[in-house]
Amino acid sequence: DIHMTQSPSSVSASVGDRVTITCRASQDISTWLVWYQQKPGGAPKLLIYAASSLQSWVPSRFSGSGSGTDFSLTINSLQPEDFATYYCQQADSFPLTFGGGTKVEIK
Amino acid sequence: EVQLVESGGGLVQPGRSLRLSCTTSGFTFRDYGVAWVRQAPGKGLEWVAFLRSKAFGGTTEYAASVKGRFTLSRDDSKSIAYLQMNSLKTEDTAVYYCARVTGYSLHYWGQGTLVTVSS
Repeated sequence: DIHMTQSPSSVSASVGDRVTITCRASQDISTWLVWYQQKPGGAPKLLIYAASSLQSWVPSRFSGSGSGTDFSLTINSLQPEDFATYYCQQADSFPLTFGGGTKVEIK
Repeated sequence: EVQLVESGGGLVQPGRSLRLSCTTSGFTFRDYGVAWVRQAPGKGLEWVAFLRSKAFGGTTEYAASVKGRFTLSRDDSKSIAYLQMNSLKTEDTAVYYCARVTGYSLHYWGQGTLVTVSS
């Protein structure tokens, strides 16, 4: 199974800050990497697929990068609605596996 | 508008069965794979099962933790996917989400249904 390691597990930031979350796969997954956002009490929503392609509803302050085993999600100029938990998921092979999540909290 | 609505959750005793439904609308259901993902209280996301569209063979994949106990099926005429869960264990307690799949990315999710396994 491909193990996904996210860091940090939580981050405190202020509105307007730049936040970067990293995700490492235990083996090469090319660009088969997806990012989701989950707000408390809500379902996850897909943010970025294929490592760097933004879903249509996602603001351009979000960006994804990486390939192989190392990936990152960057939020430029953090907005109040961005405080949430973010998960990465490898979309390379079964079993599909998720990172442990990164909670972005208000400082 | 793409919509997925889960139903069928509830309280069930260990060892019993439950069937979840994922009712969809707003897209051509038969053209897409469907997956189930669960989230135990206060925990992260865990993929459970995946069912390919008939165009891709209609085959299934299961997490090791549920293989042999859970069965995912689909009724393309009704645009519904079903997750039959047998021999339930306390560790199956979670919110269960269904999702529309493109590639192996989960592009659209339902709101989830809570399954509580307890005596």
